[in-house]
Amino acid sequence: AQSVSQHNHHVILSEAASLELGCNYSYGGTVNLFWYVQYPGQHLQLLLKYFSGDPLVKGIKGFEAEFIKSKFSFNLRKPSVQWSDTAEYFCAARSSGSARQLTFGSGTQLTVLP
Amino acid sequence: DSGVTQTPKHLITATGQRVTLRCSPRSGDLSVYWYQQSLDQGLQFLIQYYNGEERAKGNILERFSAQQFPDLHSELNLSSLELGDSALYFCASSKSGGGGQETQYFGPGTRLLVL
Repeated sequence: AQSVSQHNHHVILSEAASLELGCNYSYGGTVNLFWYVQYPGQHLQLLLKYFSGDPLVKGIKGFEAEFIKSKFSFNLRKPSVQWSDTAEYFCAARSSGSARQLTFGSGTQLTVLP
Repeated sequence: DSGVTQTPKHLITATGQRVTLRCSPRSGDLSVYWYQQSLDQGLQFLIQYYNGEERAKGNILERFSAQQFPDLHSELNLSSLELGDSALYFCASSKSGGGGQETQYFGPGTRLLVL
């Protein structure tokens, strides 16, 4: 079955620390990958996406993610976090074949201390 | 603001009741997706409609149903509500069928509380 795993449920960092959130997927065939962010009380917003090509993708607000096919991973990174990055982060995957729906990971709550 | 709108924002109801959640997709988007976010199940796909037709089905209970109207707005109907149906229900939309390099854009959600 297709699945997405996020290793960390809750990450606490101080401002200016570097961030890496893990995401692994289990999919056969070609996969599309996404990171969404959910700020407190708000809807899911797209941070970045990978469909094909350069495995290092850059998104909004200084976030980037690297697709490593051999490791079935799509980790999210940011060199220096800010207090305003406090939010829940979701990794999602979709088979680029017939399935259209996104499969989400369980989410990682990031708390950035000022 | 993603351009996807959902009403109502909050809904409080009792067990056994029926409710209808409404979603309007972004202008020009033909597909609407419904997701349920709960503490124990996380974010789960329920159902997709594309241009009025059901396109894909996920973990949607038989007590739940959806439809997409000619103006492309969609409604999710939840009946015989149980306490466990309390969750945040998100709607998302995309340009066409959802494959290829399409991105889904999410609405603000409807928070349902069943007492």
